[in-house]
Amino acid sequence: DAGITQSPRHKVTETGTPVTLRCHQTENHRYMYWYRQDPGHGLRLIHYSYGVKDTDKGEVSDGYSVSRSKTEDFLLTLESATSSQTSVYFCAISLTGDSTDTQYFGPGTRLTVL
Amino acid sequence: GQQLNQSPQSMFIQEGEDVSMNCTSSSIFNTWLWYKQDPGEGPVLLIALYKAGELTSNGRLTAQFGITRKDSFLNISASIPSDVGIYFCAGLQDSGNTGKLIFGQGTTLQVKP
Repeated sequence: DAGITQSPRHKVTETGTPVTLRCHQTENHRYMYWYRQDPGHGLRLIHYSYGVKDTDKGEVSDGYSVSRSKTEDFLLTLESATSSQTSVYFCAISLTGDSTDTQYFGPGTRLTVL
Repeated sequence: GQQLNQSPQSMFIQEGEDVSMNCTSSSIFNTWLWYKQDPGEGPVLLIALYKAGELTSNGRLTAQFGITRKDSFLNISASIPSDVGIYFCAGLQDSGNTGKLIFGQGTTLQVKP
Protein backbone atom coordinates (compact mmCIF):
# COMPACT_ATOMS: atom_id res chain seq x y z
CA ASP A 1 0.00 0.00 0.00
CA ALA A 2 1.17 3.46 -0.85
CA GLY A 3 1.06 5.46 2.37
CA ILE A 4 -2.03 7.51 1.61
CA THR A 5 -4.83 8.22 4.05
CA GLN A 6 -7.95 10.28 3.56
CA SER A 7 -10.15 11.83 6.21
CA PRO A 8 -12.94 11.70 6.87
CA ARG A 9 -13.89 8.46 5.11
CA HIS A 10 -17.58 9.33 5.20
CA LYS A 11 -19.35 12.64 5.63
CA VAL A 12 -22.93 13.86 5.40
CA THR A 13 -23.46 17.59 5.27
CA GLU A 14 -26.09 20.11 4.29
CA THR A 15 -26.25 22.35 1.25
CA GLY A 16 -24.43 25.61 1.79
CA THR A 17 -22.02 24.41 4.46
CA PRO A 18 -18.23 24.42 3.98
CA VAL A 19 -16.48 21.06 3.83
CA THR A 20 -12.78 20.22 3.90
CA LEU A 21 -11.36 16.86 2.96
CA ARG A 22 -7.81 15.91 3.85
CA CYS A 23 -5.30 13.75 2.05
CA HIS A 24 -2.15 12.74 3.89
CA GLN A 25 0.82 10.88 2.41
CA THR A 26 3.94 9.44 4.00
CA GLU A 27 5.78 8.81 0.70
CA ASN A 28 7.23 12.30 0.21
CA HIS A 29 5.83 12.34 -3.35
CA ARG A 30 5.85 15.68 -5.08
CA TYR A 31 2.55 15.37 -6.97
CA MET A 32 -0.87 15.06 -5.37
CA TYR A 33 -4.27 14.97 -7.02
CA TRP A 34 -7.94 15.15 -6.12
CA TYR A 35 -10.49 13.24 -8.20
CA ARG A 36 -14.19 12.71 -7.92
CA GLN A 37 -15.89 9.50 -8.98
CA ASP A 38 -19.48 9.41 -10.20
CA PRO A 39 -21.42 6.63 -11.90
CA GLY A 40 -20.93 6.67 -15.65
CA HIS A 41 -18.04 9.14 -15.48
CA GLY A 42 -15.12 7.19 -14.12
CA LEU A 43 -12.75 9.44 -12.20
CA ARG A 44 -12.37 13.11 -13.08
CA LEU A 45 -9.57 15.38 -11.96
CA ILE A 46 -10.59 18.31 -9.75
CA HIS A 47 -7.26 19.92 -8.80
CA TYR A 48 -3.68 18.83 -8.51
CA SER A 49 -0.50 20.01 -6.84
CA TYR A 50 3.06 19.83 -8.14
CA GLY A 51 4.69 21.05 -4.97
CA VAL A 52 4.14 22.97 -1.75
CA LYS A 53 1.94 25.98 -2.51
CA ASP A 54 1.86 24.99 -6.22
CA THR A 55 -1.57 23.96 -7.44
CA ASP A 56 -3.55 24.00 -10.66
CA LYS A 57 -7.05 23.26 -11.89
CA GLY A 58 -8.25 20.01 -13.36
CA GLU A 59 -11.23 19.13 -15.51
CA VAL A 60 -13.98 19.79 -12.93
CA SER A 61 -12.58 22.47 -10.60
CA ASP A 62 -15.63 24.77 -10.29
CA GLY A 63 -16.84 24.97 -6.69
CA TYR A 64 -13.62 23.53 -5.25
CA SER A 65 -10.43 24.99 -3.87
CA VAL A 66 -7.26 23.31 -2.65
CA SER A 67 -4.29 24.08 -0.49
CA ARG A 68 -0.94 22.46 0.06
CA SER A 69 1.07 24.03 2.87
CA LYS A 70 3.37 21.02 3.33
CA THR A 71 4.44 18.09 1.21
CA GLU A 72 2.42 15.48 3.05
CA ASP A 73 -0.98 17.19 3.13
CA PHE A 74 -3.34 18.22 0.33
CA LEU A 75 -6.68 19.72 1.34
CA LEU A 76 -9.79 19.94 -0.80
CA THR A 77 -12.40 22.52 0.24
CA LEU A 78 -15.96 22.94 -0.86
CA GLU A 79 -16.69 26.53 0.17
CA SER A 80 -20.45 26.05 -0.02
CA ALA A 81 -21.44 22.47 -0.69
CA THR A 82 -24.14 21.69 -3.25
CA SER A 83 -26.04 18.47 -3.91
CA SER A 84 -24.16 18.06 -7.21
CA GLN A 85 -20.99 17.63 -5.18
CA THR A 86 -22.30 14.42 -3.65
CA SER A 87 -19.66 11.98 -4.80
CA VAL A 88 -16.76 9.78 -3.80
CA TYR A 89 -13.51 11.73 -3.64
CA PHE A 90 -10.13 10.13 -4.19
CA CYS A 91 -6.71 11.50 -3.53
CA ALA A 92 -3.74 10.23 -5.55
CA ILE A 93 0.00 10.75 -5.43
CA SER A 94 2.84 10.33 -7.86
CA LEU A 95 6.56 10.87 -7.56
CA THR A 96 7.42 12.74 -10.75
CA GLY A 97 4.08 13.39 -12.47
CA ASP A 98 5.45 12.64 -15.92
CA SER A 99 4.13 10.11 -18.37
CA THR A 100 6.38 7.28 -17.14
CA ASP A 101 5.18 7.65 -13.58
CA THR A 102 2.11 6.06 -12.06
CA GLN A 103 -0.45 7.38 -9.64
CA TYR A 104 -1.39 5.63 -6.41
CA PHE A 105 -4.81 6.20 -4.92
CA GLY A 106 -6.10 6.61 -1.40
CA PRO A 107 -9.14 4.77 -0.03
CA GLY A 108 -11.63 7.53 -0.84
CA THR A 109 -14.08 9.78 1.01
CA ARG A 110 -17.78 9.35 0.45
CA LEU A 111 -19.48 12.76 0.69
CA THR A 112 -23.24 13.22 0.76
CA VAL A 113 -24.69 16.73 0.48
CA LEU A 114 -28.34 16.90 1.50
CA GLY B 1 -13.08 17.49 -22.23
CA GLN B 2 -11.20 14.52 -23.54
CA GLN B 3 -12.80 11.15 -23.15
CA LEU B 4 -11.82 7.56 -23.18
CA ASN B 5 -14.49 5.19 -24.41
CA GLN B 6 -14.31 1.99 -22.45
CA SER B 7 -16.26 -1.13 -23.37
CA PRO B 8 -18.07 -3.15 -22.43
CA GLN B 9 -19.74 -1.29 -19.54
CA SER B 10 -20.38 -4.52 -17.69
CA MET B 11 -19.74 -8.22 -18.02
CA PHE B 12 -21.20 -11.22 -16.27
CA ILE B 13 -19.18 -14.34 -16.91
CA GLN B 14 -18.65 -17.85 -15.66
CA GLU B 15 -15.60 -18.68 -13.59
CA GLY B 16 -12.83 -19.97 -15.84
CA GLU B 17 -13.80 -17.88 -18.85
CA ASP B 18 -11.49 -15.35 -20.44
CA VAL B 19 -12.37 -11.66 -20.39
CA SER B 20 -11.49 -8.88 -22.78
CA MET B 21 -12.14 -5.15 -22.44
CA ASN B 22 -10.82 -2.17 -24.33
CA CYS B 23 -10.46 1.58 -24.40
CA THR B 24 -10.40 3.90 -27.38
CA SER B 25 -9.83 7.59 -27.76
CA SER B 26 -9.67 10.23 -30.46
CA SER B 27 -6.49 11.57 -28.79
CA ILE B 28 -3.01 10.15 -28.59
CA PHE B 29 -1.68 9.07 -25.20
CA ASN B 30 1.90 8.40 -24.17
CA THR B 31 0.99 6.08 -21.33
CA TRP B 32 -1.90 3.70 -20.80
CA LEU B 33 -2.75 2.38 -17.36
CA TRP B 34 -5.20 -0.25 -16.21
CA TYR B 35 -6.66 -0.09 -12.69
CA LYS B 36 -8.95 -2.32 -10.69
CA GLN B 37 -11.28 -1.00 -8.02
CA ASP B 38 -12.84 -3.17 -5.33
CA PRO B 39 -15.99 -1.96 -3.55
CA GLY B 40 -15.23 0.77 -1.01
CA GLU B 41 -11.60 1.03 -2.07
CA GLY B 42 -9.47 3.23 -4.28
CA PRO B 43 -8.27 2.06 -7.70
CA VAL B 44 -5.20 -0.16 -7.66
CA LEU B 45 -2.77 -0.19 -10.55
CA LEU B 46 -2.67 -3.48 -12.50
CA ILE B 47 -0.55 -2.77 -15.56
CA ALA B 48 1.25 0.25 -17.00
CA LEU B 49 2.11 0.56 -20.70
CA TYR B 50 4.63 3.10 -21.95
CA LYS B 51 5.34 2.29 -25.61
CA ALA B 52 3.12 1.91 -28.66
CA GLY B 53 2.72 -1.76 -29.50
CA GLU B 54 3.88 -2.86 -26.05
CA LEU B 55 2.33 -6.06 -24.73
CA THR B 56 2.68 -6.58 -20.98
CA SER B 57 1.55 -9.37 -18.70
CA ASN B 58 0.94 -9.52 -14.98
CA GLY B 59 -0.07 -13.04 -14.00
CA ARG B 60 -3.35 -13.82 -15.74
CA LEU B 61 -3.64 -10.26 -17.00
CA THR B 62 -2.33 -9.09 -20.37
CA ALA B 63 -2.59 -5.58 -21.72
CA GLN B 64 -1.50 -3.96 -24.94
CA PHE B 65 -0.74 -0.39 -25.94
CA GLY B 66 -2.27 0.13 -29.37
CA ILE B 67 0.05 0.91 -32.25
CA THR B 68 -1.86 4.12 -33.05
CA ARG B 69 -1.48 5.19 -29.37
CA LYS B 70 -5.23 5.78 -29.31
CA ASP B 71 -6.35 2.50 -27.80
CA SER B 72 -5.53 -0.25 -25.35
CA PHE B 73 -7.01 -3.55 -24.30
CA LEU B 74 -6.91 -5.71 -21.20
CA ASN B 75 -7.40 -9.47 -21.18
CA ILE B 76 -7.98 -11.63 -18.11
CA SER B 77 -7.51 -15.34 -18.62
CA ALA B 78 -9.23 -18.09 -16.64
CA SER B 79 -11.27 -15.72 -14.48
CA ILE B 80 -11.77 -16.43 -10.78
CA PRO B 81 -14.28 -14.96 -8.29
CA SER B 82 -11.77 -12.48 -6.86
CA ASP B 83 -11.52 -10.84 -10.29
CA VAL B 84 -14.87 -9.20 -9.51
CA GLY B 85 -14.65 -5.42 -9.49
CA ILE B 86 -14.56 -2.37 -11.71
CA TYR B 87 -11.73 -2.08 -14.22
CA PHE B 88 -10.65 1.32 -15.45
CA CYS B 89 -8.38 2.30 -18.27
CA ALA B 90 -6.57 5.60 -17.97
CA GLY B 91 -4.47 7.58 -20.41
CA LEU B 92 -1.70 10.00 -19.63
CA GLN B 93 -0.44 12.72 -21.92
CA ASP B 94 2.74 14.67 -21.56
CA SER B 95 1.62 18.10 -20.52
CA GLY B 96 4.42 19.94 -18.78
CA ASN B 97 4.90 17.08 -16.34
CA THR B 98 1.47 17.51 -14.81
CA GLY B 99 0.49 13.87 -15.03
CA LYS B 100 -3.18 14.48 -15.82
CA LEU B 101 -4.89 11.13 -16.10
CA ILE B 102 -7.99 10.73 -18.26
CA PHE B 103 -10.15 7.80 -17.16
CA GLY B 104 -12.56 5.57 -19.00
CA GLN B 105 -16.01 5.03 -17.55
CA GLY B 106 -15.11 1.60 -16.21
CA THR B 107 -16.06 -2.01 -16.89
CA THR B 108 -17.90 -3.80 -14.10
CA LEU B 109 -16.97 -7.47 -14.00
CA GLN B 110 -19.01 -10.09 -12.23
CA VAL B 111 -17.86 -13.71 -12.08
CA LYS B 112 -20.23 -16.54 -11.37
CA PRO B 113 -18.57 -19.41 -9.46
